[in-house]
Amino acid sequence: QKEVEQNSGPLSVPEGAIASLNCTYSDRGSQSFFWYRQYSGKSPELIMFIYSNGDKEDGRFTAQLNKASQYVSLLIRDSQPSDSATYLCAVNGDNAGNMLTFGGGTRLMVKP
Amino acid sequence: DVKVTQSSRYLVKRTGEKVFLECVQDMDHENMFWYRQDPGLGLRLIYFSYDVKMKEKGDIPEGYSVSREKKERFSLILESASTNQTSMYLCASSLDTGINFNSPLHFGNGTRLTVT
Repeated sequence: QKEVEQNSGPLSVPEGAIASLNCTYSDRGSQSFFWYRQYSGKSPELIMFIYSNGDKEDGRFTAQLNKASQYVSLLIRDSQPSDSATYLCAVNGDNAGNMLTFGGGTRLMVKP
Repeated sequence: DVKVTQSSRYLVKRTGEKVFLECVQDMDHENMFWYRQDPGLGLRLIYFSYDVKMKEKGDIPEGYSVSREKKERFSLILESASTNQTSMYLCASSLDTGINFNSPLHFGNGTRLTVT
């Protein structure tokens, strides 16, 4: 059984700070990694995906992947109150198709 | 923009009733999924489908069945609803499969089902 672990939080950061969200996974064969944002009462929406070791940047968001250590992280620079949401890490294991395993999510609170 | 539409936002059913949750996507996506989301348990995959009339069990298929008669429509069926099936149900679709899969899941708005 694949496992994807996230600290449930809440992670509280002041406006303008860097928020760092972490995710570890158990399946060493995992190949694709996704971060979704979910506002309260809404459905998840994709923020970023990454499948190579290293960093991938998109605006204020940076995804970091370290396959050797089996973790993936999401950095949010210049955090805004509108970034307050639950962030879900999802991992795709192998060639068996789009069977994503989701972590439980980290709740982020950005305080003005 | 991809649109995934779930037929009901809120649904209240009684124990033992047969419940149908409908999902339609408008982007000709190959793959469709049903998840449930519960506090503390996260998103869990119930069933998914790669193609018309094709279905595969996810992590928690017990008590559920699915139907995909047309590419754009994927239905989740609770044969005899029970109180432990009270949850938020999320339908999703995605374009393709592959080793370097990067097709995102597009989620519907969810159906909050209460079984009394």
